[in-house]
Amino acid sequence: QSVLTQPPSASGTPGQRVTISCSGSSSNIGSNTVNWYQQLPGTAPKLLIYSNNQRPSGVPDRFSGSKSGTSASLAISGLQSEDEADYYCAAWDDSLNGDVVFGGGTKLTVL
Amino acid sequence: EVQLVQSGAEVKKPGESLKISCKGSGYSFTSYWIGWVRQMPGKGLEWMGIIYPGDSDTRYSPSFQGQVTISADKSISTAYLQWSSLKASDTAMYYCARHYVAYDSSGYYCWLDYWGQGTLVTVSS
Repeated sequence: QSVLTQPPSASGTPGQRVTISCSGSSSNIGSNTVNWYQQLPGTAPKLLIYSNNQRPSGVPDRFSGSKSGTSASLAISGLQSEDEADYYCAAWDDSLNGDVVFGGGTKLTVL
Repeated sequence: EVQLVQSGAEVKKPGESLKISCKGSGYSFTSYWIGWVRQMPGKGLEWMGIIYPGDSDTRYSPSFQGQVTISADKSISTAYLQWSSLKASDTAMYYCARHYVAYDSSGYYCWLDYWGQGTLVTVSS
């Protein structure tokens, strides 16, 4: 059971816009920034969005992030076949000693 | 160019010990936290803990406290993840990742900006 809650799957057709949600609590998303990671099949995860809505250099502007209260969302516009991957949200959690908590991951299928 | 290069795949028996490594290059190794993430077969990412090589300050996820040891040798820019007695349930891919960590009045800013290629650990009798 992951601390952050994501839908296990999402799908869309090429060119569509899809969103992936991430729900947390006051000790994580509610008080700290949210990050998103993309894991293509058979590869290591890659930082996709940091600090709620910032894109690292090289990440297309088709990817965007937002946060409101204890929830966050990742939006992908102009969906492409190469976007088919697992997506994870994560945030620092202030409970106990403090640590990073991940969502369970969302498998995005491009139909 | 920032790079994290991990040691190769391991096959071990239950009860054996193991230490895997992650060598950083292209940045000041002592100025960033570096940590470990577990991914069991077909499952999601689990954060295990981090170390600050500058002063060896180490933090563990409650789920992994006492189960593994995280260490670093700043003289060779290498972080380690160690088990004293492996179990079959330790079979997983393990990733090291550089952590950016900062804090202000808005809360913690912490993201994993560079990742190693992963080390597959298989524990089987």
